[in-house]
Amino acid sequence: GAGVSQTPSNKVTEKGKYVELRCDPISGHTALYWYRQSLGQGPEFLIYFQGTGAADDSGLPNDRFFAVRPEGSVSTLKIQRTERGDSAVYLCASSLNRGGEQFFGPGTRLTVL
Amino acid sequence: QQQVKQSPQSLIVQKGGISIINCAYENTAFDYFPWYQQFPGKGPALLIAIRPDVSEKKEGRFTISFNKSAKQFSLHIMDSQPGDSATYFCAASRGNDMRFGAGTRLTVKP
Repeated sequence: GAGVSQTPSNKVTEKGKYVELRCDPISGHTALYWYRQSLGQGPEFLIYFQGTGAADDSGLPNDRFFAVRPEGSVSTLKIQRTERGDSAVYLCASSLNRGGEQFFGPGTRLTVL
Repeated sequence: QQQVKQSPQSLIVQKGGISIINCAYENTAFDYFPWYQQFPGKGPALLIAIRPDVSEKKEGRFTISFNKSAKQFSLHIMDSQPGDSATYFCAASRGNDMRFGAGTRLTVKP
């Protein structure tokens, strides 16, 4: 079956703009995670959904970042008033349930000019 | 703070050689230790993982050695191949909380 997909693959925006990044998890996976990966670093946890609810959003850096998963499947990461420091690859992963093997998507490379 | 420390940052190995990557963690609550392989432009993919109740796990050419008392674990790649050239990340997790090392860029020369 299909793996985790993310769109767009690349996003270039200007400082101060709003962006939305989409994640389609593997069908049937109840757990969904967002990570941010800066150049030369490992993925850094942002937020975890179990079903429709954000069970752990402790990794969100500030209130400009928000994520939703309204129907327990597709998730959208939203970044308001983007800053140059937000430039990174945003990875999404899903797992069958909490603590299960995480399957990663290819990521969205965000560049804020 | 950095909860998982990984070394070396980069590694060059000849084809057929052994690649060794080391990680150390701080939080003794972690109970799952995976290794991920990442190729350029792709997301990380699970390579092999271990739980702390065993000291070693082997899958094909890949072996994890785990030292619970030292809070350290390592990945050994035997008979390294050019196709193994990638970035490798160790991680430590408990439940949904997964922390990654900074990664090791492995180059296997033919």
